[in-house]
Amino acid sequence: GIQVEQSPPDLILQEGANSTLRCNFSDSVNNLQWFHQNPWGQLINLFYIPSGTKQNGRLSATTVATERYSLLYISSSQTTDSGVYFCAVEPNFGNEKLTFGTGTRLTIIP
Amino acid sequence: EAQVTQNPRYLITVTGKKLTVTCSQNMNHEYMSWYRQDPGLGLRQIYYSMNVEVTDKGDVPEGYKVSRKEKRNFPLILESPSPNQTSLYFCASSGTGLTGAFFGQGTRLTVV
Repeated sequence: GIQVEQSPPDLILQEGANSTLRCNFSDSVNNLQWFHQNPWGQLINLFYIPSGTKQNGRLSATTVATERYSLLYISSSQTTDSGVYFCAVEPNFGNEKLTFGTGTRLTIIP
Repeated sequence: EAQVTQNPRYLITVTGKKLTVTCSQNMNHEYMSWYRQDPGLGLRQIYYSMNVEVTDKGDVPEGYKVSRKEKRNFPLILESPSPNQTSLYFCASSGTGLTGAFFGQGTRLTVV
């Protein structure tokens, strides 16, 4: 099946810093999403981005489908950004099943 | 507000006692799925449904049942729960629009 790798696995930053999270995937995809799992365990849909660039406030994401990677940018980090960020993909032949990466654990220190 | 609602949020039960976790979505989505999340194993799909009365197994279906009698509801049934089904469970729904999947708040299940 498709492989999804995320880097870095852990990231500790001071409040106000910027960060870039990376997601590499091994095959063509129909769908790529970024999620934030907050400390209460909830999975929040950040971006649906199978290709191109999107922005939502301090967050933006870029997917280069031909090179099989996606980047999530977080600017001016706040403590509420802490949690685990997951990239999830659905292969082209998919049944709406998302394959999740192992996540990046982000900790923002005040 | 568009949402996927799971109940209960937390549940502690005993081995062998049948339970149902409910899931409902208000977005008229065709696709619904159940996932479980375990430390070191990540999120894995249990079952999915392409539409009413159409369901199929995901990666880890053993010990679970589902049904899709109405478009908005997709309950997860554990007929005889065992301790290895202790996990964090998520229901998700998605449609044909370009918005991706939305997840419920999660159900933390402990089987003792």
